[in-house]
Amino acid sequence: GAVVSQHPSWVICKSGTSVKIECRSLDFQATTMFWYRQFPKQSLMLMATSNEGSKATYEQGVEKDKFLINHASLTLSTLTVTSAHPEDSSFYICSATGQGPLAEQYFGPGTRLTVT
Amino acid sequence: AQTVTQSQPEMSVQEAETVTLSCTYDTSESDYYLFWYKQPPSRQMILVIRQEAYKQQNATENRFSVNFQKAAKSFSLKISDSQLGDAAMYFCAYPGTASKLTFGTGTRLQVTL
Repeated sequence: GAVVSQHPSWVICKSGTSVKIECRSLDFQATTMFWYRQFPKQSLMLMATSNEGSKATYEQGVEKDKFLINHASLTLSTLTVTSAHPEDSSFYICSATGQGPLAEQYFGPGTRLTVT
Repeated sequence: AQTVTQSQPEMSVQEAETVTLSCTYDTSESDYYLFWYKQPPSRQMILVIRQEAYKQQNATENRFSVNFQKAAKSFSLKISDSQLGDAAMYFCAYPGTASKLTFGTGTRLQVTL
């Protein structure tokens, strides 16, 4: 099946710094990638949708200047958390869809971000 | 806007027994898909089963089956012969516009010996 990787799997950063998370589709071309945020014991909340070569679409309430998303190729999307604060600590998950009538989402393993 | 509701925060089942997880949703569409995802302690999201709304037959994948009631907008997941490895969070999901998934709040399933 389709495989999506994320890197890093766990990152600790200091408050005020920026951190980049990569999401790669390993064996297929992802026309669309999604970024989710999941707090402990809660569901996944969609943050943004990114399409290769175009600007990301952010969900209501998500600060686009804080969560920078770049989808430079059909296999790579990055999420940069800028000027991170402790409240940004969370589990970030990406997913990718290929082409076809049902664009099934394939999920990455997630990245745990801890901001100290 | 689409909404997905899971009313059971936690469920428990004995090994080898059967358990049913509930999900209701709201949509104005007539043709759509519905999904059940499993999130084990590793937190990797795994697609368990999908249902196409235009198909009257309920989807089945080995020990997993659904009871899809389109008129009632109900989409429950039945796990038969439960195994310890089934312990996880289960999320019901509806793909809306541009394949954006709306997830329910999840049901934590415990499997006991």
